[in-house]
Amino acid sequence: EDQVTQSPEALRLQEGESSSLNCSYTVSGLRGLFWYRQDPGKGPEFLFTLYSAGEEKEKERLKATLTKKESFLHITAPKPEDSATYLCAVQPFMYSGGGADGLTFGKGTHLIIQP
Amino acid sequence: EAGVAQSPRYKIIEKRQSVAFWCNPISGHATLYWYQQILGQGPKLLIQFQNNGVVDDSQLPKDRFSAERLKGVDSTLKIQPAKLEDSAVYLCASSLVGGQGYEQYFGPGTRLTVT
Repeated sequence: EDQVTQSPEALRLQEGESSSLNCSYTVSGLRGLFWYRQDPGKGPEFLFTLYSAGEEKEKERLKATLTKKESFLHITAPKPEDSATYLCAVQPFMYSGGGADGLTFGKGTHLIIQP
Repeated sequence: EAGVAQSPRYKIIEKRQSVAFWCNPISGHATLYWYQQILGQGPKLLIQFQNNGVVDDSQLPKDRFSAERLKGVDSTLKIQPAKLEDSAVYLCASSLVGGQGYEQYFGPGTRLTVT
């Protein structure tokens, strides 16, 4: 069974204080690892997809990296508007085919950036 | 480009009543997903459609939940009869085509409260 564990559950930072969020995963075969941002009362907003170990992607103050067992979301010099819940999800490779590609999500990291 | 539309945004019902949710995916997106997000958890896949055919409904509680996608566009998710544990946000997502390289875009969700 695919599993995704995110840590920490909650993180409070001062504006400008850089940090990293962790996503550990167990999957029989990884097709892709996704990061989403979710604001209160809204649906998840797509941030990144990573496909292979060693891959990195950046967007503004966010940088996502991937190894064979975990992914990190690095946030550099965060601002209060970066406050949100960050969700990690895996898309398994379906050896049996059939096209099923639903995501398995972690519980998320609730990030608060204080001014 | 218009995003994924969902209605209603909020619904309160009593246990044993029935309820239906509607989703209109991004224009041209062939794949549609329904996820259930319980408070404090990540989204959990309920069902995946490719055009108007079901690809994966392995996690759908079929004794009370049903879903359809008519003409390969809009979709409806129904719960009958509802239980207290069905209280959650129901998220609809769509992607251009299932598989690697196609991100899933989420709607705002429908928050269901069962009393």
